[in-house]
Amino acid sequence: RKEVEQDPGPFNVPEGATVAFNCTYSNSASQSFFWYRQDCRKEPKLLMSVYSSGNEDGRFTAQLNRASQYISLLIRDSKLSDSATYLCARGAGSYQLTFGKGTKLSVIP
Amino acid sequence: NAGVTQTPKFRVLKTGQSMTLLCAQDMNHEYMYWYRQDPGMGLRLIHYSVGEGTTAKGEVPDGYNVSRLKKQNFLLGLESAAPSQTSVYFCASSYLAGRGQETQYFGPGTRLLVL
Repeated sequence: RKEVEQDPGPFNVPEGATVAFNCTYSNSASQSFFWYRQDCRKEPKLLMSVYSSGNEDGRFTAQLNRASQYISLLIRDSKLSDSATYLCARGAGSYQLTFGKGTKLSVIP
Repeated sequence: NAGVTQTPKFRVLKTGQSMTLLCAQDMNHEYMYWYRQDPGMGLRLIHYSVGEGTTAKGEVPDGYNVSRLKKQNFLLGLESAAPSQTSVYFCASSYLAGRGQETQYFGPGTRLLVL
């Protein structure tokens, strides 16, 4: 089992919809998790950090389920500008991060 | 602040040629990283550094060397480029400050094509 797994998508959703992605991880000792957003041909940019049960920032909510070893990202009221690839990452010790391969989201007018 | 910068932005090499990618950060971060990103493979760590003068191997270090002579710079070298090293290379840095210490900030990337 890969350390961090994501459904590659693409997820095609209409504007205004709510969409959720899951990310599963295999190392139960992981303490920190992150969601990054990556636009086409650009660098990843931090969207949210998740250390305890979850985090919320406007339309974005991240939830951590340690028992089932996954984190989720919920996007409410999707905008066209939310179209991107969303990368999940977990802290891997020694200040390293292990990334998933990303989930592609396309928000359709 | 410029954040993390990378040079060059794009380069074409012939097999066997050498080159150095430069990463610079002006945030006084202790930690710096080099990743490569390939379609279907995600971000893979090549080498990283936990401070000036120190480097360590990541997941895919073969064919690459690195140096961290100054805290703000992290160099990635390809001594003899191979087509398998065609990729997008990202540099990142992070700071040492309790919770959030693993948050990494990425440069804009270098696109390398090896023919």
